[in-house]
Amino acid sequence: TQLLEQSPQFLSIQEGENLTVYCNSSSVFSSLQWYRQEPGEGPVLLVTVVTGGEVKKLKRLTFQFGDARKDSSLHITAAQPGDTGLYLCAGWGYSTLTFGKGTMLLVSP
Amino acid sequence: EAGVVQSPRYKIIEKKQPVAFWCNPISGHNTLYWYRQNLGQGPELLIRYENEEAVDDSQLPKDRFSAERLKGVDSTLKIQPAELGDSAVYLCASSSSGGRGENYGYTFGSGTRLTVV
Repeated sequence: TQLLEQSPQFLSIQEGENLTVYCNSSSVFSSLQWYRQEPGEGPVLLVTVVTGGEVKKLKRLTFQFGDARKDSSLHITAAQPGDTGLYLCAGWGYSTLTFGKGTMLLVSP
Repeated sequence: EAGVVQSPRYKIIEKKQPVAFWCNPISGHNTLYWYRQNLGQGPELLIRYENEEAVDDSQLPKDRFSAERLKGVDSTLKIQPAELGDSAVYLCASSSSGGRGENYGYTFGSGTRLTVV
C-alpha cells in the first residue's frame, strides 16, 4: 500500500500571509496531483506534476515535485479567503490514485 | 458540459436498512470510480470500472457493498445492510485518457453524504 502523509493537517492564517503544505511518501509515484475540496463538494484538480524536480505555477500557487518523485509541496503566496479549503495530494502508482488525508486551510480576512 | 452527477446529495437511514447511490459520469469517460471519504480524511477507493467491467474492487467490502455499471455509463453503489460505520461521503469520479487519468485527473461529483443512525 502506498501512503501519502500530508502536513500540516490544519492551518489557520490571516489574509496576505504565505504558506507551504507538504506531501511525503516512502513510495515513488509516476505522477502526483493536487486537488482542492470545498465543503459539500468533490475535489477539484489543480495541477499534475510528472517529472522529478518539476515546478508548476498557477497564479499565486506554486507546486513542486521532489527529485525522487516521492514528495511534493504546495506554496501559496499572499493567501486570500477564497483559498480556504481542503488541499489533497494524490499519487499515481499501480494504476491507482492514492490520496493523502489532506491539509485543511482557513484564511481569515 | 455537465459534470459528474450524483444523487441523492444527502441520505439519512437507520442501521440495517439498504441504501443506494447513483452516478452519471461525464459523457465519453470510460473509467468510473467510487470513493468513500470519512470526515477529516482523504478519499479512499472502493471500486474502479473500465467501461462496464470492474477492474479493481479489492477495497470494496463485498459482504455488504455491491456496485454495477450497466452499459458502461451510469453506475449505482449499494449498501445492504448499512452499519453505523458506513456514515461518510460517497464520491463518484470519472476520467478519460485511457482510464488512467494520469495526465488529466479525475472529475468528481459533489458526493452523497450518508448518515446511518
